[in-house]
Amino acid sequence: AQSVSQHNHHVILSEAASLELGCNYSYGGTVNLFWYVQYPGQHLQLLLKYFSGDPLVKGIKGFEAEFIKSKFSFNLRKPSVQWSDTAEYFCAVNGNTGGFKTIFGAGTRLFVKA
Amino acid sequence: DGGITQSPKYLFRKEGQNVTLSCEQNLNHDAMYWYRQDPGQGLRLIYYSQIVNDFQKGDIAEGYSVSREKKESFPLTVTSAQKNPTAFYLCASSTTGDYGYTFGSGTRLTVV
Repeated sequence: AQSVSQHNHHVILSEAASLELGCNYSYGGTVNLFWYVQYPGQHLQLLLKYFSGDPLVKGIKGFEAEFIKSKFSFNLRKPSVQWSDTAEYFCAVNGNTGGFKTIFGAGTRLFVKA
Repeated sequence: DGGITQSPKYLFRKEGQNVTLSCEQNLNHDAMYWYRQDPGQGLRLIYYSQIVNDFQKGDIAEGYSVSREKKESFPLTVTSAQKNPTAFYLCASSTTGDYGYTFGSGTRLTVV
């Protein structure tokens, strides 16, 4: 069965610090990978996605993620966070035999101190 | 603007009552989904539908039912058989071949 593990449930950073949120998945086949973000009081929205090609994916608001197939990982990074990045971040996986089923991680709450 | 509308935003029901959550999309997306979000557990799939008049159970379908009579609509009924119905429910949609979701704003159901 597919599963997604996010390493940290809560992260606190100061503005301008670098961010890396870990995500590992369990699935043996081809995968589609996603990061979603939920800002306070707002909808969940897609931050970035990887389907194929360049394993370094760039998303909105300066975020990027790197797919490392050998490590079953898809970590999210941002070189310099802002107070407005305070949100909950979800990693998600859709396997090629999963049809339309996407599995989500438990989420990481990021708080950025101004 | 295209999007997904979930209603109501907050819903209170007495234990033992069935309740239906609405989800409507005007994105012309083929696939629609229902997830349940609980603190510290992420999102868990309840039901999903790839085309009209067809739907499949997700990982936690027990105590829930759905219908897909129109492409735009995918209502979720929380039945009295659901043992722990108090939660935040999210509806999402996607196009065929692109599994990136568009989410609604959610319905917070409280059963007392």
